[in-house]
Amino acid sequence: NAGVTQTPKFRVLKTGQSMTLLCAQDMNHEYMYWYRQDPGMGLRLIHYSVGEGTTAKGEVPDGYNVSRLKKQNFLLGLESAAPSQTSVYFCASSPLGYGYTFGSGTRLTVV
Amino acid sequence: ILNVEQSPQSLHVQEGDSTNFTCSFPSSNFYALHWYRWETAKSPEALFVMTLNGDEKKKGRISATLNTKEGYSYLYIKGSQPEDSATYLCAFETGANNLFFGTGTRLTVIP
Repeated sequence: NAGVTQTPKFRVLKTGQSMTLLCAQDMNHEYMYWYRQDPGMGLRLIHYSVGEGTTAKGEVPDGYNVSRLKKQNFLLGLESAAPSQTSVYFCASSPLGYGYTFGSGTRLTVV
Repeated sequence: ILNVEQSPQSLHVQEGDSTNFTCSFPSSNFYALHWYRWETAKSPEALFVMTLNGDEKKKGRISATLNTKEGYSYLYIKGSQPEDSATYLCAFETGANNLFFGTGTRLTVIP
C-alpha cells in the first residue's frame, strides 16, 4: 500500500532553474495539497485541488504553479527557482472530512 | 492567515509519566481540528479529526478534547513510552479544505 508518493526526495537547483515535483496517491482521494515546511514555522499551504482538473491557491502560492490532470497526480512546478524556495515540500491527500495522508517530503535547496 | 498556537514548544518527560499539551485556535469559522503525530525522518500521521464542541477522541494511550467556543484542544498521553517521542501538530480547518498548522510540540520521552 503506497499511499502518497513524492518524487524526487532531494534536489538541488540553481537560481533561475525550473523543476516539477510529482505527487501520486493510490487511495482515490479527491483532495490533494502541497505544503512547504520551514524552520520555526508550521506547514504552510501552497496550492490545493478539490478534484481532477481543479486547483486553487493556498496561503503562499507565489512562485509556484500546479496541475491536476489526473485524479491520482498533483504536480508542483517552480518556473524560476529562488533561494527563498529552499524548503521541505510535503504533498498530502484526503477524502473530505478525514485526516490527511502525507508523502515523505522533498527536500529542495536552491543555490 | 489564521494563528494556531501550540504550547509548550518542547517537552521532556520520563517514561511512564502522563503529559498533555495545548492547541489554541480562532473560535470563529471553525470546521474541524486535526491532530497529527510526526516522527523524525517520517511524514505526519493523522491521529484525530474533531468537529464538534465537546468532542473527545481516544486512540490507545492518546486522547484529545475539543472546546470550539473558547478555541482550544488538549492532547493527552497516558503513561508515556519512548516510542511516543515525536512532534505533535495540530491544525485548524476552516471548511474550505485549508488546514492551518501550528508549529508543533516536540515530545521526548526519556527511558
